[in-house]
Amino acid sequence: EAQVTQNPRYLITVTGKKLTVTCSQNMNHEYMSWYRQDPGLGLRQIYYSMNVEVTDKGDVPEGYKVSRKEKRNFPLILESPSPNQTSLYFCASTGTGGSYEQYFGPGTRLTVT
Amino acid sequence: AQSVTQPDIHITVSEGASLELRCNYSYGATPYLFWYVQSPGQGLQLLLKYFSGDTLVQGIKGFEAEFKRSQSSFNLRKPSVHWSDAAEYFCAVAVSDTGRRALTFGSGTRLQVQP
Repeated sequence: EAQVTQNPRYLITVTGKKLTVTCSQNMNHEYMSWYRQDPGLGLRQIYYSMNVEVTDKGDVPEGYKVSRKEKRNFPLILESPSPNQTSLYFCASTGTGGSYEQYFGPGTRLTVT
Repeated sequence: AQSVTQPDIHITVSEGASLELRCNYSYGATPYLFWYVQSPGQGLQLLLKYFSGDTLVQGIKGFEAEFKRSQSSFNLRKPSVHWSDAAEYFCAVAVSDTGRRALTFGSGTRLQVQP
């Protein structure tokens, strides 16, 4: 089954404690993205990757890092989380060609206290 | 830069009534447009998409949307709403910056269905 998986699904942590949210896709897609969803703001792109070892900032990259060492994986790293990063996070992937359709993971709800 | 506006934050309809959710976009060229649905506690599911061609597109779950270039709109419709349609609906436009492949989302419309 074609899918995007994320782990963990739920995470509660404290300010300053480094964390990583993993994302993996099995569709051999070149493009992967991270979004955050906040009430009244919809989804906003944090970072994206066009292929292995190629990443760039989206609309709200401050406080986040990513890496793309393998095509299927695109982890999101918060090196020093703060309460304003409490949000619902989605990983997404899409292929090349004319389709811009994004395939989304199930989401990770992060709470930073 | 692209932008998407969903003017209705919250809509309540009775089960069996018709539904129209509004979406307006700002974009310089012919956009790629999408509607996604998010049920409570769930991820995002694609309802339908418009790339080109027929301006009336059919999606899953009985939804359709019409692209109107003159009005910069892509409104979502359903002739008869079911209780299971209660969810949040997001309109999105594809970002076509070189290499980026992202979607710009509206702020969402929460649909409540009354029995």
